[in-house]
Amino acid sequence: ETGVTQSPTHLIKTRGQQVTLRCSSQSGHNTVSWYQQALGQGPQFIFQYYREEENGRGNFPPRFSGLQFPNYSSELNVNALELDDSALYLCASSTAEAGELFFGEGSRLTVL
Amino acid sequence: GDSVTQMEGPVTLSEEAFLTINCTYTATGYPSLFWYVQYPGEGLQLLLKATKADDKGSNKGFEATYRKETTSFHLEKGSVQVSDSAVYFCALPIYNQGGKLIFGQGTELSVKP
Repeated sequence: ETGVTQSPTHLIKTRGQQVTLRCSSQSGHNTVSWYQQALGQGPQFIFQYYREEENGRGNFPPRFSGLQFPNYSSELNVNALELDDSALYLCASSTAEAGELFFGEGSRLTVL
Repeated sequence: GDSVTQMEGPVTLSEEAFLTINCTYTATGYPSLFWYVQYPGEGLQLLLKATKADDKGSNKGFEATYRKETTSFHLEKGSVQVSDSAVYFCALPIYNQGGKLIFGQGTELSVKP
């Protein structure tokens, strides 16, 4: 059974640029959630996708957007990057909206 | 709104010492409660959970009891090992939104041989 995989593992961008992060959910999982974890903080919920539809959103601006594909993999897009967007971005998948979350190792984004 | 508060770290212990990491919460209703662990360079893993008041979750020697009267879910282990060195997060679901979690700020544990 393949776990949750994320890419890239590390990346560096400059202010104003755009970034796309990718996540492959665990086999059999149809729900994907994204979290932002700033250094020394707990993860914060960005949004969740269930069967290709956004299903809940945390307190993040519209420049954070996402997609879920028919194979349940997902993308997180961030436009107009700001310095405060520097963080570890975690993807988690589950079998249903309320199922146990399985996390990937994250994509560490640095914005200069 | 709902929230989770954890004791601040870092916590440094010697091997075989007793561990307590405090977690208190504010929540609407009586949600499930979780402890996640993040080992260096890895994603989060579910360590244990409790789904109702007075439930005790346990795994890998760790335990936590859901205390409704004190709104607490403290993590304990009787004898820590070097391999337990990690960051521990207490979490609860966002009200009425299953699968979406609120995390505490995390407590870093370092166990010395």
